[in-house]
Parts: sequence; C-alpha cells; structure tokens
Amino acid sequence: QVQLQESGPGLVKPSETLSLTCTVSGASISTHYWSWIRQPPGRGLEWIGYIYDSGITKNNPSLKSRVSISVDTSKNQFSLKLNSVTAADTAVYYCARGDFTLIVPFDIWGQGTMVTVSS
Amino acid sequence: QSALTQPASVSGSPGQSITISCTGTSSDVGTYNYVSWYQQHPGKVPKLIIDDVNYRPSGVSNRFSGSKSGNTASLTISGLQAEDEADYYCSSYTNSVIFGGGTKLTVL
Repeated sequence: QVQLQESGPGLVKPSETLSLTCTVSGASISTHYWSWIRQPPGRGLEWIGYIYDSGITKNNPSLKSRVSISVDTSKNQFSLKLNSVTAADTAVYYCARGDFTLIVPFDIWGQGTMVTVSS
Repeated sequence: QSALTQPASVSGSPGQSITISCTGTSSDVGTYNYVSWYQQHPGKVPKLIIDDVNYRPSGVSNRFSGSKSGNTASLTISGLQAEDEADYYCSSYTNSVIFGGGTKLTVL
C-alpha cells in the first residue's frame, strides 16, 4: 500500500523559505512522477511542480523561480523549497503521486500539511 | 496559464443526475485527453474519481462518468446520494497541470 506523508514547519515568516518533505512508503520514488500541490484556505487547488526520474523537475510558471524540488532516493523522499514567501503562500500543501510516464493523474495524495506565513 | 472554468455550485436531489462542466482552451482540454476529476469532502484529501477524460479508477462508483467535447470536459453523477455532497475539481495536462476553480455540489 503506497502512502505519502508530508512534514515540515507549520509556521514560516514572511520573506523566508518554506521547506517541506514528502516521505514515500510502499513504492520506489525512482518510478512515477511526484508532485507538490497546494490549497489556500477556502480556495481551490494549485499545482506547484513535479520531480521525475530522480532529478527532472518542472514548476508552475506562475510561481516563477521561487520553487525548488529535489529528491533523496536513499530516504525515498522528495522535498519542496519555496522562497520569499508571503501571506499568499499560506495553504495546505499536499504531495501526490502521478503516473509512470506523465505528471497526471494524481492517484495517491498525502494527508496534507498546513503552512501559515506570518510574523 | 489560467485556471479551467467550473461553475461555483450545482445542486440536485437524491436520485437525480447532475453534470459539472470544466471549460479550458485549445491548449489544454481541447488538445489533451488527460482530464482528471477529483472529489474533496470538507477537511479531507482530494480523491481521484475520473482520469483520462472518462476512465474510472478501481473502487470508484460507476455513478461517476466523464466526457469531453471540444474545449469542455464534463463530470456526470447519476443517482445522486447524500455522500456525493463535496467539492469537485477538474484538471488538465498542458505540459504542466492546471486545475479548475472547483464546484460545490449540494445534495438537497
């Protein structure tokens, strides 16, 4: 049974860097596409970016160059860094599994972790 | 890269059928048959209910069905049940991924 679990600080100060990790169990992180998705309170879903094949990444153009996604295959984890955060980055952050050969669909999701940007 | 357009809300009575539309452009929904639908109950994690426009993953009720015409995809729920009350999101592949704004389904 494949499971994903997000971890990281729940509170980040404005202008600082948000850092989250997704631990994957029950599957190898070397297969499939792995994405980060977020959902601001009371609002819809926004795809942040993916990592694939132990290093190929692509980010949502709307987030410009603020996003960095990396992988640690030895720990079966992938991570998100979002720099220069503002209150608009306050959201529930999910990690999710895509397909073997395509970003979508997202068939397995983590439970999500709430990140608040506030001083 | 604009979000896909969904109605903010739809409603129906138990036993009825409803359809939620998801309108994109020729650069996303109109070109790719990689439209997915997700169901999200309040405070819960989104759940994949339709992928590749009209494919139901294992375990998803056959009351859920998907279709596409041109730049618009649709999710139909037949035989509405109280448990179907939730938010529904469409998404499309477009060399990245875009989501719709979400539709709140109310079962009257």
